Amino acid sequence: EPEVTQTPSHQVTQMGQEVILRCVPISNHLYFYWYRQILGQKVEFLVSFYNNEISEKSEIFDDQFSVERPDGSNFTLKIRSTKLEDSAMYFCASSARQGLGYTFGSGTRLTVV
Amino acid sequence: GEDVEQSLFLSVREGDSSVINCTYTDSSSTYLYWYKQEPGAGLQLLTYIFSNMDMKQDQRLTVLLNKKDKHLSLRIADTQTGDSAIYFCAVPGGSYIPTFGRGTSLIVHP
Repeated sequence: EPEVTQTPSHQVTQMGQEVILRCVPISNHLYFYWYRQILGQKVEFLVSFYNNEISEKSEIFDDQFSVERPDGSNFTLKIRSTKLEDSAMYFCASSARQGLGYTFGSGTRLTVV
Repeated sequence: GEDVEQSLFLSVREGDSSVINCTYTDSSSTYLYWYKQEPGAGLQLLTYIFSNMDMKQDQRLTVLLNKKDKHLSLRIADTQTGDSAIYFCAVPGGSYIPTFGRGTSLIVHP
């Protein structure tokens, strides 16, 4: 069964540092997403990406965040200057079509200290 | 935007049926999803239903959709301790982006 792969599974970083979370979506998928889940809270949408550009983003996705698809396989989320409140589980997802068949990775737990 | 509501906890005895309920606000969804999250793990797609269906059965899982009331439910028959997890309802809105509920923690006790 095809999988969405996320690395690392856990990252600890100091406040103010930049982090890059990596994802390898399913190879024939065209739509890519990042979500986050603060401990004990909802899974929140951050951003969607299609055709090499952001198609939609939430209020959470401010100037500190950016996404990139640097090659044909990776999809990254960068947080420029991490804050304590960025500590969360970050999930990458991909889908072949809009509105259909979202597959999630197992997440990266980001801890900002 | 889309609003998805679920009750936070459900406790059942092993062997009983579990019913997890979800209500949503946006009626433009095409597929509606149930995801399962085990402790410390990611989101696993459990099942989904197309919006023109009322019911879908998949082994021990039954999904019921009431479009008029915007109500989605997941029934797990013969619930086992391995079913203990958080169950998320996810409903794509007008932009096709899934909005998740807060998740229902299912606790199965012997």
